[in-house]
Amino acid sequence: KAGVTQTPRYLIKTRGQQVTLSCSPISGHRSVSWYQQTPGQGLQFLFEYFSETQRNKGNFPGRFSGRQFSNSRSEMNVSTLELGDSALYLCASSLRTGRFTNTEAFFGQGTRLTVV
Amino acid sequence: TQLLEQSPQFLSIQEGENLTVYCNSSSVFSSLQWYRQEPGEGPVLLVTVVTGGEVKKLKRLTFQFGDARKDSSLHITAAQPGDTGLYLCAGASNTGKLIFGQGTTLQVKP
Repeated sequence: KAGVTQTPRYLIKTRGQQVTLSCSPISGHRSVSWYQQTPGQGLQFLFEYFSETQRNKGNFPGRFSGRQFSNSRSEMNVSTLELGDSALYLCASSLRTGRFTNTEAFFGQGTRLTVV
Repeated sequence: TQLLEQSPQFLSIQEGENLTVYCNSSSVFSSLQWYRQEPGEGPVLLVTVVTGGEVKKLKRLTFQFGDARKDSSLHITAAQPGDTGLYLCAGASNTGKLIFGQGTTLQVKP
């Protein structure tokens, strides 16, 4: 059974640019969550998508957005990149159906974004 | 705001030693999970504890959920270099999302 796949693995962007990251969940998983991981802040929740709808949102500015497609694949977009956006972006999928059920998350390897 | 505090943040020990990592909160969580993350990889789920007072064992790893479901601990017996990594606890919040602790970086020296 294939795991969670994130592309690309590494990315270098310039301040002011925008970036799109992709995540393919485990087959059968309809919930996809995104996290930002930095040495100083740890793992911070960005948002969760389920059945193409955003179900939960963290405390990030509007420059961070996402979407989910009918096949459960998800993308996240960051516009007007800032140096502080440099981080490991992790995607996780789960079997969650109800909002408060089965939160066990299976993570991808992440996309390492460097903003210069 | 529900928060999870892990301690210690860093731990460097010799192979064969025992260690305990703590995960504490002032809030109640419906379940709590432990993950291990190696450099360049995403976190990997180790265990989920659901019932207050629950104890789960995974080979040399013992996980405990506090009676009040506000805290948890991870105990490793006879640590090995392969146990090196970042250990993260995560709780299912009252809004349904996972909240992570800051993590404990463990280094086991041969």
